[in-house]
Amino acid sequence: SAVISQKPSRDICQRGTSLTIQCQVDSQVTMMFWYRQQPGQSLTLIATANQGSEATYESGFVIDKFPISRPNLTFSTLTVSNMSPEDSSIYLCSVGTSAKNEKLFFGSGTQLSVL
Amino acid sequence: GENVEQHPSTLSVQEGDSAVIKCTYSDSASNYFPWYKQELGKRPQLIIDIRSNVGEKKDQRIAVTLNKTAKHFSLHITETQPEDSAVYFCAARNTSGTYKYIFGTGTRLKVLA
Repeated sequence: SAVISQKPSRDICQRGTSLTIQCQVDSQVTMMFWYRQQPGQSLTLIATANQGSEATYESGFVIDKFPISRPNLTFSTLTVSNMSPEDSSIYLCSVGTSAKNEKLFFGSGTQLSVL
Repeated sequence: GENVEQHPSTLSVQEGDSAVIKCTYSDSASNYFPWYKQELGKRPQLIIDIRSNVGEKKDQRIAVTLNKTAKHFSLHITETQPEDSAVYFCAARNTSGTYKYIFGTGTRLKVLA
């Protein structure tokens, strides 16, 4: 399994500001993903973080709102921009530990509250 | 679009009894089906998984069965214990592009002592 460090673990932010979440993995991984988990809900994929190229976003998520960086095979960031209370959620990074993205492991999550 | 339905949404069982959670997927190209356990305030943890070329897999008190024809897969927990109380998510992974996962809606399992 991969050891995934995510920070911050939680934050309380003001409406209109931005927050950058960092995800560090202890080994090189091909696939890194960012998920959102709204209170009491399931896991929704925001985007796939691609090393060396632009992230691939899922329907309903756009780069201007959730810019993602992936400078190398062990690190990625997700920024939540121009936040509103509707962005209050848990954000999780995850990595697949095989070539076919099996054994998906999650970071500890970032609990975001927007006032 | 691709979808994974999960039932029931909540499940209460007496300690020692069995619990069964069922999922149905829509994408016939899905070929890998993991189950995750998420305790309150914690990250989802992979507890068992199954590939589409296998009908059943067991790991101690946990088993997963897959009916590829019917596109159903189920999680079975025997001899339940209070520490099994958590939210359980099924998922289906497709075989195209980035091998994305579609997660079920979750089942809140309560094991009553």
